[in-house]
Amino acid sequence: EAGVAQSPRYKIIEKRQSVAFWCNPISGHATLYWYQQILGQGPKLLIQFQNNGVVDDSQLPKDRFSAERLKGVDSTLKIQPAKLEDSAVYLCASSPLAGGPDGELFFGEGSRLTVL
Amino acid sequence: AQKITQTQPGMFVQEKEAVTLDCTYDTSDQSYGLFWYKQPSSGEMIFLIYQGSYDEQNATEGRYSLNFQKARKSANLVISASQLGDSAMYFCAMRPRRNTPLVFGKGTRLSVIA
Repeated sequence: EAGVAQSPRYKIIEKRQSVAFWCNPISGHATLYWYQQILGQGPKLLIQFQNNGVVDDSQLPKDRFSAERLKGVDSTLKIQPAKLEDSAVYLCASSPLAGGPDGELFFGEGSRLTVL
Repeated sequence: AQKITQTQPGMFVQEKEAVTLDCTYDTSDQSYGLFWYKQPSSGEMIFLIYQGSYDEQNATEGRYSLNFQKARKSANLVISASQLGDSAMYFCAMRPRRNTPLVFGKGTRLSVIA
């Protein structure tokens, strides 16, 4: 079974530029998450999708971050314009279970963003 | 709101020894799930073990076991017979029974010494 795919693995941009990250979850997983992990910290949720609908985007900085999952499969996370504090690893995760507490999340390898 | 606290920024353990990584949590939910993930330097998050709040027995998965003390709201990870490949960041996380994402602690960096 293929895992969660993310691209690009690494991206370096200057502040005020834009960047987009792509995620393809495990086939059949209805729930998709984007997490931001700043160096030395644990992952922090940015947005949660259930199929193609947004379940939770309360921690997404909507003035600069946007995300979509149009067909309920793959997803794109965009940052425009980027700030220095956006330097982080952006982790995508998926899960087949929506309601239970015992559904583990399956993570991709992450996209490491450096903003100069 | 849920909160996870991992008070050990870094830990050292001798190869083949056991080590305990601490995790305490705070939640008002009666039902919830507790998870531990391992993050090697390569960056991927690897699921290790799960404990449900109503599970009467502590969870075990190979060399990993979870010391769950519900009254103390603690869910410590025990790694037995440490190996060099266990060197990584370890994150404790939780989610309630409703449709919510995992909330993570800040992590503990474990270094296994030969």
